[in-house]
Amino acid sequence: EPEVTQTPSHQVTQMGQEVILRCVPISNHLYFYWYRQILGQKVEFLVSFYNNEISEKSEIFDDQFSVERPDGSNFTLKIRSTKLEDSAMYFCASSKTSGFTDTQYFGPGTRLTVL
Amino acid sequence: KNEVEQSPQNLTAQEGEFITINCSYSVGISALHWLQQHPGGGIVSLFMLSSGKKKHGRLIATINIQEKHSSLHITASHPRDSAVYICAVTDTGNQFYFGTGTSLTVIP
Repeated sequence: EPEVTQTPSHQVTQMGQEVILRCVPISNHLYFYWYRQILGQKVEFLVSFYNNEISEKSEIFDDQFSVERPDGSNFTLKIRSTKLEDSAMYFCASSKTSGFTDTQYFGPGTRLTVL
Repeated sequence: KNEVEQSPQNLTAQEGEFITINCSYSVGISALHWLQQHPGGGIVSLFMLSSGKKKHGRLIATINIQEKHSSLHITASHPRDSAVYICAVTDTGNQFYFGTGTSLTVIP
């Protein structure tokens, strides 16, 4: 069964460094999402992406963050100048049609630790 | 402010029991989602609802739009159902809000 994959599974970085989290969505899906979950807290929506542009974003998704689909398969989240509070699990998801009203398929997550 | 509230926060049940998890929301929605988060952290989408009721195996989800309330029921619960169950809503502005989750433990 097709699945969403994410790499790396765990990323450790120093405060102030840039990180890129990678996701490979399901191949025939058109909508892509990033979420984060700070340890012990609820999942939070970051951004949705469709047709090579951001379709929705939350207040959390500020200028520190960017997303890109650099080729036909990868979907990336870049976090510039990381802060301690960026430490969290980051989940990618994809859906065939708009996941706001369709089933989303989640990746296993990337645990980001900022030291 | 919490757009989505779930109850209970924690739930322990004996194997075979009927389980109900509740979700209330305060915003106008276009859809409501029930998700399952496994102990390892992975998230699986269980249901997406905009009205009525859906059933998948031992899981049933209902929604009452007028009352802004949804329930997730698990019949004949099993230890493998132990997980965190998350309610999330898409509001009419296409923002996605998550509840804090209900941690379910089913004891053999």
